Amino acid sequence: QQQVKQSPQSLIVQKGGISIINCAYENTAFDYFPWYQQFPGKGPALLIAIRPDVSEKKEGRFTISFNKSAKQFSLHIMDSQPGDSATYFCAASRNSGGYQKVTFGTGTKLQVIP
Amino acid sequence: NAGVTQTPKFQVLKTGQSMTLQCAQDMNHNSMYWYRQDPGMGLRLIYYSASEGTTDKGEVPNGYNVSRLNKREFSLRLESAAPSQTSVYFCASSEAWGKNEQFFGPGTRLTVL
Repeated sequence: QQQVKQSPQSLIVQKGGISIINCAYENTAFDYFPWYQQFPGKGPALLIAIRPDVSEKKEGRFTISFNKSAKQFSLHIMDSQPGDSATYFCAASRNSGGYQKVTFGTGTKLQVIP
Repeated sequence: NAGVTQTPKFQVLKTGQSMTLQCAQDMNHNSMYWYRQDPGMGLRLIYYSASEGTTDKGEVPNGYNVSRLNKREFSLRLESAAPSQTSVYFCASSEAWGKNEQFFGPGTRLTVL
């Protein structure tokens, strides 16, 4: 059961452009929505996260937009750089019995070309 | 402060062989997790340990067992490896209830022939 749907699967953006990755979830019990960034040969690392009580969160060039009624959220990377080339995973999380029950999207491979 | 460490980095097994993947964290985290990552499928939870002394099944536990050896260490065992278990395995940890960020290790790339 795919509870978090992520698109697109891959994305090519020119340097300086805006990268947009979209995710949709089904379970309204989720209360934390992180984005993880993964470089080749490395483990995922938390990039930015949002809780459903806010509609937008910005950290530097990275912004999460959150639409609670539509059950959708997206990652925007402004002024995309070649160093941003990586795979991005959205996720939805909730506390369950003392651990973080995290459901990941299928990932978006971003390539930023000079 | 090494964070989450995993051994080995790479492993090739023959069908039916067994092996144990090791994971350790030095952040004093209570919860630990094992995921597998397959192309086009994201990360799927195999087993987790909410706290020392407890373990429980995740989304795809079949063919695996785990041991939470102590607060630092959480191992994943394949008793009889199958080609379907060819994957990249990640261990992760998180502080406790209410602390949502998970910290991932560098992964183990496993190939089962």
